[in-house]
Amino acid sequence: DARVTQTPRHKVTEMGQEVTMRCQPILGHNTVFWYRQTMMQGLELLAYFRNRAPLDDSGMPKDRFSAEMPDATLATLKIQPSEPRDSAVYFCASGSNSGIVAYNEQFFGPGTRLTVL
Amino acid sequence: DQQVKQNSPSLSVQEGRISILNCDYTNSMFDYFLWYKKYPAEGPTFLISISSIKDKNEDGRFTVFLNKSAKHLSLHIVPSQPGDSAVYFCAASFDQTGANNLFFGTGTRLTVIP
Repeated sequence: DARVTQTPRHKVTEMGQEVTMRCQPILGHNTVFWYRQTMMQGLELLAYFRNRAPLDDSGMPKDRFSAEMPDATLATLKIQPSEPRDSAVYFCASGSNSGIVAYNEQFFGPGTRLTVL
Repeated sequence: DQQVKQNSPSLSVQEGRISILNCDYTNSMFDYFLWYKKYPAEGPTFLISISSIKDKNEDGRFTVFLNKSAKHLSLHIVPSQPGDSAVYFCAASFDQTGANNLFFGTGTRLTVIP
């Protein structure tokens, strides 16, 4: 049963601390997305990668957030330093893009609930 | 600026009746539209989609309607079941070529009352 996995599921930290969230996309998917869910904005895109190369990270606060894909099986999202306004649920999603008209489904992980005190 | 809007934060419907969830968008360049369903403590899961060249797509109890001139789409669930109670997100994409950046609405919480 292929699924996207995310760790940790919950994270409580204090303001100023570094937070690292990890995502394992579905094997064979070449596109990975990071979303943040807030009450006001719904699901907002932070960054996404295709074939491990960053395509768009315009949704991310650059001074404190960074996203990487060290290899095809791991994507990371870091916040340093964290702030209370970063408290949200962070979702990773993966999908396939072959450049032809195809099904546009993204598969989401269960999310990381981050609380910054 | 929110390009995809779901103006109803919540909706309650009796079991067996029709649920209609609405979504509006502002960018006429969107080419593909999707609905996702989300249960608490889980990630969103894909429900149904529609290409901009169609005005209707049906999958079992779920039908999505697209009105391009009004920049409006809706999701109909008939008949509604208690298990349909979840948050529903509308999403739009500029590109149909596989997984691409999706613009999501803020969601509508559907409660189906037994």
